[in-house]
Amino acid sequence: NAGVTQTPKFQVLKTGQSMTLQCAQDMNHNSMYWYRQDPGMGLRLIYYSASEGTTDKGEVPNGYNVSRLNKREFSLRLESAAPSQTSVYFCASSERYQPQHFGDGTRLSIL
Amino acid sequence: KQEVTQIPAALSVPEGENLVLNCSFTDSAIYNLQWFRQDPGKGLTSLLLIQSSQREQTSGRLNASLDKSSGRSTLYIAASQPGDSATYLCAVVDTGGFKTIFGAGTRLFVKA
Repeated sequence: NAGVTQTPKFQVLKTGQSMTLQCAQDMNHNSMYWYRQDPGMGLRLIYYSASEGTTDKGEVPNGYNVSRLNKREFSLRLESAAPSQTSVYFCASSERYQPQHFGDGTRLSIL
Repeated sequence: KQEVTQIPAALSVPEGENLVLNCSFTDSAIYNLQWFRQDPGKGLTSLLLIQSSQREQTSGRLNASLDKSSGRSTLYIAASQPGDSATYLCAVVDTGGFKTIFGAGTRLFVKA
């Protein structure tokens, strides 16, 4: 049982490059989330998708776009990467009001 | 704006000790509060979820309490073990059921 799978696990980008982080879950959850985790700051919600076909902004959405491709997959895109977006990115899924299940993260460095 | 604070930021205890981790939040309009564990280089694992109408939840050696009116939660770990060494994070979910605000975590080290 894979749970929540994130790809890639590591990535190094140059400022201005674009990339998409992929997330897939196999628990048939309706809701999916993207967070970033920076040292000493805990996790901050970037975007979430309450159900297939919907997406909403979280706490720190600027500089990101998301796509809920289907019930299983939720991608996060950086259109023009900036050094301030260097972080560890986590995807999670859940049913509403239930515990969230997390992937192992993508470690992203932007030079 | 909801803010979640965890105290202490780090804690080192000898094996076998009982310990309490603290979490406070500024807005009592929450749906639930969750406690997670994070091991180095890994994602988060859910430990306990307390609904806003509940006072506490227990799982094995873990007990979490919630006082919504005062904006506080505690995670009690009994008879700590070296395997409990990890970062513990609390998070509150708003009444809409999706927006989640995390604390910065408490880094716990249990010495053998």
